[in-house]
Amino acid sequence: NAGVMQNPRHLVRRRGQEARLRCSPMKGHSHVYWYRQLPEEGLKFMVYLQKENIIDESGMPKERFSAEFPKEGPSILRIQQVVRGDSAAYFCASSSQQGNSNYGYTFGSGTRLTVV
Amino acid sequence: AQTVTQSQPEMSVQEAETVTLSCTYDTSENNYYLFWYKQPPSRQMILVIRQEAYKQQNATENRFSVNFQKAAKSFSLKISDSQLGDTAMYFCAFTGGGNKLTFGTGTQLKVEL
Repeated sequence: NAGVMQNPRHLVRRRGQEARLRCSPMKGHSHVYWYRQLPEEGLKFMVYLQKENIIDESGMPKERFSAEFPKEGPSILRIQQVVRGDSAAYFCASSSQQGNSNYGYTFGSGTRLTVV
Repeated sequence: AQTVTQSQPEMSVQEAETVTLSCTYDTSENNYYLFWYKQPPSRQMILVIRQEAYKQQNATENRFSVNFQKAAKSFSLKISDSQLGDTAMYFCAFTGGGNKLTFGTGTQLKVEL
């Protein structure tokens, strides 16, 4: 079991470009969670998805950010028209059950986005 | 809303010594779960230890143990026999169940020779 796989590991974008971050959950997991870690801060919840459904997006910025988890393929976190404030590490976690935060999650190694 | 506070931005300890990292939290829930995560320079988030609030017994995992004080809403992590590989950022986290973890801002621990 390869664990939660995120790619790319590092991503550099110029202001105004689009960033696409990918997350492949652990085998057999159909629930995906995205967290953002700003410099000098802890991780903050962004969005929770099941296959083809967004369950909770209460932590997502209202504009420019979107997420999907299609029936086939990885979950994608998409940031349009990136700004310097989007520079952060973005982590993905997965679980096999809904509401499984009681056991903590298995996180990927994150994608570090740098906006120049 | 739940909050998690880690008041020690940085700490250092000599190899083989014991160190305690502090964490306090605020919640109105009665049943919840607390965690310590380790984030080494590789950036991987590694679950170190987990505590269920309804269990009075403090959790232990090898050299890692917690001091859980429910009334004081305190959840400290003790690392015994510190090793160089323990050098990392340590995050305290909380969940009341459901889908979200709430993290503190972290404590950077450095283990020195």
